[in-house]
Amino acid sequence: DTEVTQTPKHLVMGMTNKKSLKCEQHMGHRAMYWYKQKAKKPPELMFVYSYEKLSINESVPSRFSPECPNSSLLNLHLHALQPEDSALYLCASSQETGSYGYTFGSGTRLTVV
Amino acid sequence: RKEVEQDPGPFNVPEGATVAFNCTYSNSASQSFFWYRQDCRKEPKLLMSVYSSGNEDGRFTAQLNRASQYISLLIRDSKLSDSATYLCVVNNLRDMRFGAGTRLTVKP
Repeated sequence: DTEVTQTPKHLVMGMTNKKSLKCEQHMGHRAMYWYKQKAKKPPELMFVYSYEKLSINESVPSRFSPECPNSSLLNLHLHALQPEDSALYLCASSQETGSYGYTFGSGTRLTVV
Repeated sequence: RKEVEQDPGPFNVPEGATVAFNCTYSNSASQSFFWYRQDCRKEPKLLMSVYSSGNEDGRFTAQLNRASQYISLLIRDSKLSDSATYLCVVNNLRDMRFGAGTRLTVKP
């Protein structure tokens, strides 16, 4: 299994809703990442988990809350989002942080209404 | 100054053309380098890693010049299916930094 699986593929949520994005990989990778990508822009790093511990938070607002329940799973909990948070949310994994290339999931396209 | 800078593009070329993309990076401590391809509304996919010795994969050749902090990608005999955005990506050991991407359209 050489894939990163993200669910759901599409999500529409209101500004008062609470929802979660899920990411799963079974490649034995020990580093997992959340990126946000707006249209016609490159992906922007949000969070890095290394060995199930949060190692980087790129000053992301607290309405985004990551969670790594185990080495294969990564969640992103969403609460009280704003319309400008609408974007493609990409999960990625790599063997470890450092020199390795990343494998990306197909993303969750989020629309906040 | 952005950490990774790419040709802004877009590049519009006929089938069969040779096209070159350039990229520079500012962090001299960067350790590994990649070209990713991203199709419209899809996730980035690794095209190839880039090494100082240069590497080739079929019609694609990538080159790294550490002294100049410069990365290139050459596509020969371009196909319609090469149309995509090409992202230059640099790993500085902390995380991956993406260039803004260069849009390529190959036309019949």
